[in-house]
Amino acid sequence: AQTVTQSQPEMSVQEAETVTLSCTYDTSENNYYLFWYKQPPSRQMILVIRQEAYKQQNATENRFSVNFQKAAKSFSLKISDSQLGDTAMYFCAFMTPYASGSRLTFGEGTQLTVNP
Amino acid sequence: DGGITQSPKYLFRKEGQNVTLSCEQNLNHDAMYWYRQDPGQGLRLIYYSQIVNDFQKGDIAEGYSVSREKKESFPLTVTSAQKNPTAFYLCASSIGGTSMETQYFGPGTRLLVL
Repeated sequence: AQTVTQSQPEMSVQEAETVTLSCTYDTSENNYYLFWYKQPPSRQMILVIRQEAYKQQNATENRFSVNFQKAAKSFSLKISDSQLGDTAMYFCAFMTPYASGSRLTFGEGTQLTVNP
Repeated sequence: DGGITQSPKYLFRKEGQNVTLSCEQNLNHDAMYWYRQDPGQGLRLIYYSQIVNDFQKGDIAEGYSVSREKKESFPLTVTSAQKNPTAFYLCASSIGGTSMETQYFGPGTRLLVL
């Protein structure tokens, strides 16, 4: 079974600074995707970034980037120039295909607070 | 606007009562999913459906039932057999098939037991 571990239940950062959220996963699969979702106080789940395991290049989306270390099974999220609107719960998730369709497995989340 | 809608936003259930949560999408997605979120925890998969008239149990299906009669709709019924139903319920959809595609989420329904 696949597992996703986020070892930082809470983190805080000052506005405009950079913060890195950690995620590790365990799988015997070779074909999979990894995701970061954010859940602000509204509780809407919003996709932040996606990484395909077969791609060596780390994904980036504006101020958000990942450090994907496949051998170490590590997938951290870096947020640059943090903004107050980045305050949210961040979930790391792992997807692998099954015969009956692909499924997401989530970590327990990291609550990020951006302070003014 | 294309998207996923869930209703109601809040739902109250009495002991022994079945309640149904609605999920509708107009993204023309084949696949739909139901997740449960408890405080301080990640999301856990209840049921999913890759195509109309077919669905699969997820990791915590006991006490829940679903139907998929239309592509756009995937209602979740929380039955009286679910002894601890208080949670936040999220519906998601994706393009579908056996390929891996990003899942997009609705705004959620908060279920409380009276």
